[in-house]
Amino acid sequence: EAQVTQNPRYLITVTGKKLTVTCSQNMNHEYMSWYRQDPGLGLRQIYYSMNVEVTDKGDVPEGYKVSRKEKRNFPLILESPSPNQTSLYFCASSFDRESPLHFGNGTRLTVT
Amino acid sequence: QKEVEQNSGPLSVPEGAIASLNCTYSDRVSQSFFWYRQYSGKSPELIMSIYSNGDKEDGRFTAQLNKASQYVSLLIRDSQPSDSATYLCAVLAGGTSYGKLTFGQGTILTVHP
Repeated sequence: EAQVTQNPRYLITVTGKKLTVTCSQNMNHEYMSWYRQDPGLGLRQIYYSMNVEVTDKGDVPEGYKVSRKEKRNFPLILESPSPNQTSLYFCASSFDRESPLHFGNGTRLTVT
Repeated sequence: QKEVEQNSGPLSVPEGAIASLNCTYSDRVSQSFFWYRQYSGKSPELIMSIYSNGDKEDGRFTAQLNKASQYVSLLIRDSQPSDSATYLCAVLAGGTSYGKLTFGQGTILTVHP
């Protein structure tokens, strides 16, 4: 089954404790992207990747890191999480940048 | 001005009516436009994509694009209670921000029986 898999689905952590949210797709997509969704603010793009080793900042990249060492994986790293990063995070992928996105099921992160 | 702005909701329509959702964008070189639907607690899913001026129809859904006015809309004909969801407009940037996809804040649609 074609899918985008995010893990974990739920995560509660404390300020400053490094964490990684994994994202994997099995559709051989070139384009991958991370979003956060907050009430009243909609989906905001954090980082995107057009292909392996090619990443770029979206609208809200501060406090986040990404890497794209393999085509299928695009992990999101929070080196020192803060409470303002409490949010619902979505990973998404598409064949190329102009194609519609396939979204993962989301990761709800709480930073206390 | 927000890069992508949707008409403020929530929008409530009776079953069987036409629901009209609107979106304006600021990047004049944008070329690709998408409408996604998101049910509460779920991931967004694609409804329509549109790339050229004019109308594009798919079943009960019609997307309309006017690049000169920087405006894209979604019409839902014969609205059903199952259409109740948040609708998200997304615009792909052109120029130097080649891969940046910006979403509007979403419009909540409620279709009441």
